[in-house]
Amino acid sequence: DTEVTQTPKHLVMGMTNKKSLKCEQHMGHRAMYWYKQKAKKPPELMFVYSYEKLSINESVPSRFSPECPNSSLLNLHLHALQPEDSALYLCASSRGQGGIQPQHFGDGTRLSIL
Amino acid sequence: SQQGEEDPQALSIQEGENATMNCSYKTSINNLQWYRQNSGRGLVHLILIRSNEREKHSGRLRVTLDTSKKSSSLLITASRAADTASYFCATDRGGYQKVTFGTGTKLQVIP
Repeated sequence: DTEVTQTPKHLVMGMTNKKSLKCEQHMGHRAMYWYKQKAKKPPELMFVYSYEKLSINESVPSRFSPECPNSSLLNLHLHALQPEDSALYLCASSRGQGGIQPQHFGDGTRLSIL
Repeated sequence: SQQGEEDPQALSIQEGENATMNCSYKTSINNLQWYRQNSGRGLVHLILIRSNEREKHSGRLRVTLDTSKKSSSLLITASRAADTASYFCATDRGGYQKVTFGTGTKLQVIP
């Protein structure tokens, strides 16, 4: 069992839909991350939150909107996505931001855009 | 852009054999981590080695780091079918800079 919980596990949406991905951790971690992973590729960083503030945005298109309501929750709001956005979206957390801190990953949300 | 490149891209071995995978990176780093990803699952942290360390062990895992060659290797000894997974190295350049994942090695351990 992973300590980072992501919902839903699967999501199919049309290009005009609005949906949200959710991520939750109760390890007291203060850094949380969103990654996008295409098949047979490594995870690509999208956003980093540190102490509930956006710390890194890897020039992600505005159709992806992150939100960190509190230290345990991380959301990714989706709107007007494109077929190429179909991927596995992974959430991760760590004690603090920085490469010295191992990241704990959820099992992801597999997103398909019709 | 990806910091690390791993080789081989894919590796198939018999159970009980050792598996070695390599990671090369382009710029100086602060830390290097190895992660495992089972099919359809998230990544699991295996081991972290700092830039001033040369070797580290954890159970059946042995990691080496050669900063002069900008490379690291992960050795899994006495492999098991449960070790079948993709393995990624991940590097950072210190401070609050992001962690960047390598291209990954897909390991298959045949029972």
